[in-house]
Amino acid sequence: QVHLVQSGSELKKPGASVKVSCKASGYTFTDYTINWVRQAPGQGLEWMGWINTKTGFATYAQGFTGRFVFSLDTSVTTAFLQISSLKAEDTAVYFCAREDRSEIDYHYWFDSWGQGTLVTVSS
Amino acid sequence: DIQLTQSPSFMSASVGDRVTITCRASQGISTYFAWYQQKPGKAPKLLIYAASTLQSGVPSRFSGSGSGTEFTLTISSLQPEDFATYYCQQLSGNPYSFGQGTKLEIK
Repeated sequence: QVHLVQSGSELKKPGASVKVSCKASGYTFTDYTINWVRQAPGQGLEWMGWINTKTGFATYAQGFTGRFVFSLDTSVTTAFLQISSLKAEDTAVYFCAREDRSEIDYHYWFDSWGQGTLVTVSS
Repeated sequence: DIQLTQSPSFMSASVGDRVTITCRASQGISTYFAWYQQKPGKAPKLLIYAASTLQSGVPSRFSGSGSGTEFTLTISSLQPEDFATYYCQQLSGNPYSFGQGTKLEIK
């Protein structure tokens, strides 16, 4: 059974950094891309980008370049999201999600999600 | 970038009602499209992918249709556990995007 388990809530001061982990189990980690999604308090879902777990190549949505970095440790089947120079507006729940696909017609979808990690930025 | 507009943003309905949520894309996306359900404090759950394919384990009262720029999610007979927020998503290339959400509440 596929599971994505994320690290716990974080409380950080403005200017600090945070690293959120997403531990995958129940499937071959390098066969599926991992996406990251942000949800600010009371708001909708915002796609941040993805990381190819086979190559480590990351793609970032506009607005998530520079301070946001996706990385991997394939030896422990874990993806990471690091955010540097934290701002109050980074306060949100961050989700990782596995991207499944059809090899026939190249459809994609997010079939499994982590439970979410709340990052709170406050002085 | 492709924008998705969901309607309505909010709706109230009763158990047993038939409910339809619509999502419009700013340009054609074929069927590179999915629907998710999210309950408070929980991660989103995949309901429908490829516009009309029901995810394994999702009740058959959920159905999706559409292609190009207009898509619908229908719940044929609302159950108490269906009161949640629903999001559409397009996966027609970088960047992916979500609709703003439809909150479905009990009347």
